[in-house]
Amino acid sequence: KQEVTQIPAALSVPEGENLVLNCSFTDSAIYNLQWFRQDPGKGLTSLLLIQSSQREQTSGRLNASLDKSSGRSTLYIAASQPGDSATYLCAVEAGGSEKLVFGKGTKLTVNP
Amino acid sequence: DGGITQSPKYLFRKEGQNVTLSCEQNLNHDAMYWYRQDPGQGLRLIYYSQIVNDFQKGDIAEGYSVSREKKESFPLTVTSAQKNPTAFYLCASSAPRAGLDEQFFGPGTRLTVL
Repeated sequence: KQEVTQIPAALSVPEGENLVLNCSFTDSAIYNLQWFRQDPGKGLTSLLLIQSSQREQTSGRLNASLDKSSGRSTLYIAASQPGDSATYLCAVEAGGSEKLVFGKGTKLTVNP
Repeated sequence: DGGITQSPKYLFRKEGQNVTLSCEQNLNHDAMYWYRQDPGQGLRLIYYSQIVNDFQKGDIAEGYSVSREKKESFPLTVTSAQKNPTAFYLCASSAPRAGLDEQFFGPGTRLTVL
């Protein structure tokens, strides 16, 4: 059974710092991996999707990498801003299942 | 604007009552999903539908029911058989048959059982 773990559960950084959020998964037979952002009491916003054949994806200050063989992904946020404060969730889709398995998220606080 | 809408935003239910949560999308997506989120937990899949008039149970389907009569709509009914229904419910959609597996989410419905 696929399990997704995100470490740390919470992270607090000063504004301007570069940071890395980690995601690991137990079964490397994934179809894709998706990173989401969730603000308190809101739905999820898709940030980046990495197909299993890809190594990384970039969007603005965000860069997500995927190492399928080791079961790991990282989300790199450059020059963090207070507006980046949110919970970041990682999810993997098993091959062809169309179902996502989610981690519990990392709650990020960026202090001005 | 294309997107997913969920209603109501907040819902209160007395024990023993069934309630139905609405989810509508105008993204022309074939697949739709219902998730449940509890505090400090990741999302857990309740039901999903890959095409109209077809749906499958997810990991925690007991006490829930769904229908998919229209491509745009995927309502979720929380029945009195669901022992602990207080949670945040999220609906999502995607277009896997078009090779677009990215899931997009609605704003959620917070259900509280009184």
